[in-house]
Amino acid sequence: DGGITQSPKYLFRKEGQNVTLSCEQNLNHDAMYWYRQDPGQGLRLIYYSQIVNDFQKGDIAEGYSVSREKKESFPLTVTSAQKNPTAFYLCASSIAQGWTFFGQGTRLTVV
Amino acid sequence: EDKVVQSPLSLVVHEGDTVTLNCSYEVTNFRSLLWYKQEKKAPTFLFMLTSSGIEKKSGRLSSILDKKELFSILNITATQTGDSAIYLCAAPPGGSNYKLTFGKGTLLTVNP
Repeated sequence: DGGITQSPKYLFRKEGQNVTLSCEQNLNHDAMYWYRQDPGQGLRLIYYSQIVNDFQKGDIAEGYSVSREKKESFPLTVTSAQKNPTAFYLCASSIAQGWTFFGQGTRLTVV
Repeated sequence: EDKVVQSPLSLVVHEGDTVTLNCSYEVTNFRSLLWYKQEKKAPTFLFMLTSSGIEKKSGRLSSILDKKELFSILNITATQTGDSAIYLCAAPPGGSNYKLTFGKGTLLTVNP
């Protein structure tokens, strides 16, 4: 089945550690995105990529990094520089006209 | 700066009630507005609206766009407990990328 797969579903991290969230899509979409969701905040854009080997910062990129070496994959690294990383992270991909599809999300908790 | 504002932020109703959720937007070179439903995890797509005044309908849900007044509404009739969710409104800016600007969402709780 076509879709977006995020892993892991739940992730715990100690303060000061970097962690990488995986996102894979088999929809053949060119564009991929990472959003962060906090209670009462809606979805905020972290990074996005429209083509392989290219990506742009979104509204809240500080403390995060990404790579886009393959069309299917857009991993997100939450670095120790992110001051408040506990959140729900959603990966998405899209085709033209704004049709955007989401993965099931990764809930990251800093312990 | 592109902006999408939803209201109310939360709403509690009883089964069988009709609800109207609001979304206003200010987006450069507006092309479309999308509604999503988010229960526990991934937002799922409900509607995409591009033309003013044309209602889109799916079962008990319907939505309409007013491009002159820059807003959209999502109606749910005869609500059920399964309609409890966060409803998100989003718009992509003009140009060649499709990143979405989201509103904060409306948390709808339908009580039996």
